[in-house]
Amino acid sequence: DIQMTQSPSTLSASVGDRVTITCRASQNINNWLAWYQQKSGKAPKLLIYKASSLGSGVPSRFSGSGSGTEFTLTISSLLPDDFATYYCQQYNSYSYTFGQGTNLEIK
Amino acid sequence: QVQLQESGPGLVKSSETLSLTCTVSGGSVSSGSYHWTWIRQPPGKGLEWIGYIFYSASTKYNPSLKSRVTISADTSKNQFSLNLGSVTAADTAIYYCATEGFAAQGYSYAFSYWGQGTLVTVSS
Repeated sequence: DIQMTQSPSTLSASVGDRVTITCRASQNINNWLAWYQQKSGKAPKLLIYKASSLGSGVPSRFSGSGSGTEFTLTISSLLPDDFATYYCQQYNSYSYTFGQGTNLEIK
Repeated sequence: QVQLQESGPGLVKSSETLSLTCTVSGGSVSSGSYHWTWIRQPPGKGLEWIGYIFYSASTKYNPSLKSRVTISADTSKNQFSLNLGSVTAADTAIYYCATEGFAAQGYSYAFSYWGQGTLVTVSS
């Protein structure tokens, strides 16, 4: 299986901050990488697919970059609604795997 | 817009079979444009892909669960189902159904649509 490692596990930030979350794959996954946002008690929501393509209806303050084994999710200016847990997921190999999650909390 | 709704027992006894159904609207389980997928999340933990079905009969499973998992589809009801056998407490989780959609060019949109999830607890 391809292992996905996110960093940091927890990120403390303030409204208006620019934040970046990193996801590393244990082997080359080209650009087959997605990012999801999950709020407590809710299903994950797709933010980014194919490493940098914005999901339907997702605000432009979210952006993704990277290819190969290293990827980033950036939120350009945090809003109160953005405090949640974020997961990366690879779909290069059919045995899809997720990162362990990054909890974005209010400082 | 695809909509998904999970249903099934919230409590299953250890060593028995967990069975869940996902009812689909806005898309067809017969379609080759989607992978109809099950994903789970133990309480307070991360996400685990279980497997998917496409063209209503072809399947792929997580190797770590493959010996215990069956995913099937009922095209007459536009539903797909998950059976997980010989469950233990480690199978206690929120189970989500989701879709992986594909563009005409063949690339995946990842998991664009999700059900709300259903908590299944395995009891001894």
